[in-house]
Amino acid sequence: RKEVEQDPGPFNVPEGATVAFNCTYSNSASQSFFWYRQDCRKEPKLLMSVYSSGNEDGRFTAQLNRASQYISLLIRDSKLSDSATYLCVVTTSYSSASKIIFGSGTRLSIRP
Amino acid sequence: GAGVSQTPSNKVTEKGKYVELRCDPISGHTALYWYRQSLGQGPEFLIYFQGTGAADDSGLPNDRFFAVRPEGSVSTLKIQRTERGDSAVYLCASTSGQTGGVFGGYTFGSGTRLTVV
Repeated sequence: RKEVEQDPGPFNVPEGATVAFNCTYSNSASQSFFWYRQDCRKEPKLLMSVYSSGNEDGRFTAQLNRASQYISLLIRDSKLSDSATYLCVVTTSYSSASKIIFGSGTRLSIRP
Repeated sequence: GAGVSQTPSNKVTEKGKYVELRCDPISGHTALYWYRQSLGQGPEFLIYFQGTGAADDSGLPNDRFFAVRPEGSVSTLKIQRTERGDSAVYLCASTSGQTGGVFGGYTFGSGTRLTVV
């Protein structure tokens, strides 16, 4: 079983729609969680951190459920520019001295 | 520098040859990570350094792979006797660690696309 699992998609939704992805992790000792965005043939870039209380950044909302060991990302009012692969990232530490584990990513395609 | 720099951006090599991939992290970042990403997959952990030492090298697939960071800044990933299965994008990331108690995330370089023919 992979340490971090994501539905690979692709999710193909119309512009303006709301879309949500989930990510599950197997290590209950995991401490820090992130969503990264990766455009085709580009490097991953931090989208947002995920906090236990849930957090929002504009049209993006991230949630963490420690009991069920999953993380979610909600995108409201999706834009064409949101088309990308979204990577779930988990670490076992609050500090930088920790291996970071990526999911395989969920592909999102927004159509006009 | 302003970002994480990786060179070369592309490398084509023949099966059996030796290659070196370089990563120049953001100045002052103590932690440096190497990942490998195959098409359609997420980045796969290889090794990370805290300063000059390899804190975790559990992701290196076999003894053909080796990485160094002799002065705690630039790192080199070395692959001996390359195989076609080594073809992938090799990503480097660095981080400064905690920022105000909240983890600051990782900054990636644009990667080296290695093709073994």
